[in-house]
Amino acid sequence: NAGVMQNPRHLVRRRGQEARLRCSPMKGHSHVYWYRQLPEEGLKFMVYLQKENIIDESGMPKERFSAEFPKEGPSILRIQQVVRGDSAAYFCASSPQENYGYTFGSGTRLTVV
Amino acid sequence: DAKTTQPPSMDCAEGRAANLPCNHSTISGNEYVYWYRQIHSQGPQYIIHGLKNNETNEMASLIITEDRKSSTLILPHATLRDTAVYYCIVRGVNTGFQKLVFGTGTRLLVSP
Repeated sequence: NAGVMQNPRHLVRRRGQEARLRCSPMKGHSHVYWYRQLPEEGLKFMVYLQKENIIDESGMPKERFSAEFPKEGPSILRIQQVVRGDSAAYFCASSPQENYGYTFGSGTRLTVV
Repeated sequence: DAKTTQPPSMDCAEGRAANLPCNHSTISGNEYVYWYRQIHSQGPQYIIHGLKNNETNEMASLIITEDRKSSTLILPHATLRDTAVYYCIVRGVNTGFQKLVFGTGTRLLVSP
C-alpha cells in the first residue's frame, strides 16, 4: 500500500511563475491536508479538503494560493505569481476519516529564484 | 496556536530511554494527545496518541498524568535514527478536530 505521494520532490520557479504541487493520498483516504514549513520554522496548517470540497482554509494566504481535490486525480496546491517568500517545504497528509491520525508525504521543496 | 509546551532540546545516549515531556494544562476532556516526529526534513511521522489511558505501541509508550495536564513520550531504547524533532499536539473539537496544530517541538539528539 503506497504512502502519500507528493510530486515533484523539488521545484524551482522564477519569481512571477506559477507553481503546482500534487498530492496523491493513500488508497482509501478521502481527507487531504496541506502544510507549509518555512526554513527553520515549524509546520503551519494551510488547508483541509475532502473530495471536491474545501472544509477549512483558515491557513491559506488570501491571495495567490488555491487548493483543490477533484473527484478523480490528486489534490493540487497552486501558487500563482510566486515570490521568494513562498520558498518552503510543502507537505501533504491524508486520513481515512476526519478524526483519524494523518499520514504525511515526503513533501515538495519549492525554491523561488 | 499550539496548546502545548515542550523543552526546545534534549540529549540522550544511544541505548538509553528517552523521556520527552509535554505540558498541556488547558486540555479539555474530549481532546487527545498526539505525538509526531520529523526526522531531518522528511514528512512528519505519527508515533502514538492517547486520551487518558497510557498507550504503548512498537515505537513508543505514552504516559498521561491522571489530571491529563501533562504527558511523557518514552522511547525505551533510543537509537541514532531517533534523532528528530518531536511534536506533542493536542487535538480535539476545541482545536478544530480535523487539523493538527504543530508547535516548535523538542529537538532530540541521540549520541553514541
